[in-house]
Amino acid sequence: DGGITQSPKYLFRKEGQNVTLSCEQNLNHDAMYWYRQDPGQGLRLIYYSQIVNDFQKGDIAEGYSVSREKKESFPLTVTSAQKNPTAFYLCASRFNGLGYGYTFGSGTRLTVV
Amino acid sequence: GENVEQHPSTLSVQEGDSAVIKCTYSDSASNYFPWYKQELGKRPQLIIDIRSNVGEKKDQRIAVTLNKTAKHFSLHITETQPEDSAVYFCAATNTGNQFYFGTGTSLTVIP
Repeated sequence: DGGITQSPKYLFRKEGQNVTLSCEQNLNHDAMYWYRQDPGQGLRLIYYSQIVNDFQKGDIAEGYSVSREKKESFPLTVTSAQKNPTAFYLCASRFNGLGYGYTFGSGTRLTVV
Repeated sequence: GENVEQHPSTLSVQEGDSAVIKCTYSDSASNYFPWYKQELGKRPQLIIDIRSNVGEKKDQRIAVTLNKTAKHFSLHITETQPEDSAVYFCAATNTGNQFYFGTGTSLTVIP
């Protein structure tokens, strides 16, 4: 799976529920990222983390939360405050420093029912 | 912050023809420009990248050109094949911490 694993592949959420998307990497990458992908809007950054126990908001962080307790793991929680959560979520990781590209996970498709 | 625009949003070419996708960026400090290919239902994968100290880079049928003065960079695919059909994303960064992505180009290669 390219060293970065997202689960589940598909997730259904009821109104008012919080759900957590998992992202695990065994590439020893320093930084991890969460992107949201909507049709025609490309990839929009939700949160990112360059080191353990530290993370920064991206462009669309409202309604989302993250943690980085381990280097390998960067779970994303979609809270009930996120009004339009139906989307494809991509996790990525990379080594810190210029010139290193992302390795992406295979994504989680979240649908509100 | 950085703003990356990508054109065209869709592109259809005959097999064997060339395809060109162009991106412009706003932050003159951006200095690393990767391109990703995303096949239907799959994860984006890095296909080529270029740093600001280089004007062109080639890898077999794929090339990227960078014009720092005009703040644009382009992906060139020659001798296109049906397996080149995918969505292509450009990105730019000046720190390496956060990549700013274009909105994607859906390329269809017609056999």
